[in-house]
Amino acid sequence: QQPVQSPQAVILREGEDAVINCSSSKALYSVHWYRQKHGEAPVFLMILLKGGEQKGHEKISASFNEKKQQSSLYLTASQLSYSGTYFCGTESGGSNYKLTFGKGTLLTVNP
Amino acid sequence: EPEVTQTPSHQVTQMGQEVILRCVPISNHLYFYWYRQILGQKVEFLVSFYNNEISEKSEIFDDQFSVERPDGSNFTLKIRSTKLEDSAMYFCASNSDSLIYGYTFGSGTRLTVV
Repeated sequence: QQPVQSPQAVILREGEDAVINCSSSKALYSVHWYRQKHGEAPVFLMILLKGGEQKGHEKISASFNEKKQQSSLYLTASQLSYSGTYFCGTESGGSNYKLTFGKGTLLTVNP
Repeated sequence: EPEVTQTPSHQVTQMGQEVILRCVPISNHLYFYWYRQILGQKVEFLVSFYNNEISEKSEIFDDQFSVERPDGSNFTLKIRSTKLEDSAMYFCASNSDSLIYGYTFGSGTRLTVV
């Protein structure tokens, strides 16, 4: 079952914040976040393994609510380099590490 | 930094022809995957491969598709009789025995079926 991402697209000015959400109808073992720039491969940002866990990567952090099967990606003080499509990938137990990706959120950061 | 290498970067083929997409995963990784992305859409799982056999495949991965790891380093995806709707970017990915480090994706092969 494909996770649902929201919003589909967001436009920011440099320095503004954004939140991207990812939810699943299935119990999740982990949630991954990837960023893909146009014409390039997705690049791994972070993995959330436990309920309520929050992780950070520079000014990009994420949380994972295991009970609600939801994850959120937080981008603070956005930079031009943050532009791209953000995908969450979810893993359910026993999946041989297979990830199912959401449709993505297109983030555009303007000067 | 180790990377996943895919060749060719772009392939144009006629409908009905066979194509082989090639990937060299990271050498100490154990799990290998093919995903595809139709232009502007989500990244779709095709197949996962572990211990020299398919561990899981999607509904998309029907009899026209096959994968092979012929020599311990290359990982190939063969599409036997291509259709127009097979046009997409095909990504190979690999990971170690732990997902903590996530997938490493190759830069993809853009397949265009005409």
